[in-house]
Amino acid sequence: KQEVTQIPAALSVPEGENLVLNCSFTDSAIYNLQWFRQDPGKGLTSLLLIQSSQREQTSGRLNASLDKSSGRSTLYIAASQPGDSATYLCAVSPDSNYQLIWGAGTKLIIKP
Amino acid sequence: DTGVSQDPRHKITKRGQNVTFRCDPISEHNRLYWYRQTLGQGPEFLTYFQNEAQLEKSRLLSDRFSAERPKGSFSTLEIQRTEQGDSAMYLCASSFSPGLVETQYFGPGTRLLVL
Repeated sequence: KQEVTQIPAALSVPEGENLVLNCSFTDSAIYNLQWFRQDPGKGLTSLLLIQSSQREQTSGRLNASLDKSSGRSTLYIAASQPGDSATYLCAVSPDSNYQLIWGAGTKLIIKP
Repeated sequence: DTGVSQDPRHKITKRGQNVTFRCDPISEHNRLYWYRQTLGQGPEFLTYFQNEAQLEKSRLLSDRFSAERPKGSFSTLEIQRTEQGDSAMYLCASSFSPGLVETQYFGPGTRLLVL
């Protein structure tokens, strides 16, 4: 059974720092992996999607990497801003039906 | 199109009552998903539709839960005889398949509190 773990559960850093969020999964047979952002009381917004054949994806200040063999993904946020404060969730899809299996998230606080 | 919408946004009910939630997906999307999220946890998959066909149901979806998507457009999720353990955020998402990149777009969720 696929399990997704995110460490740390919470992170607080000063504005301007670069930071890395971690995601690990137990079964390397994934179709893709996504990183989402969730703001309090709101739905989820997809940030980056990495197909199983890819190693990384970039969008603006965000870079996500995928190492299927070790069951790990990282989300790198450059030059963090207070507006980046949110919960970041990692989800893997085991097949093309795109049923997502989620981690519990990392709550990120960027201090001004 | 303004995205995925869900109604109501909040629902408070007493144990034993039935509740129904509605999800309106992005209009051209043929897939629709329901998830449940409890505080401090990631969402858990409940079920998904391809057009009007319900293709997969999680074991989390007990016989008190039923979902429909009668015309392949909006969907409803009904919970009968609600229990306090049903209190959670119910999230709906939609996507288009097949697509080059099948990102799921989420609605704002319906927060259910069972007293």
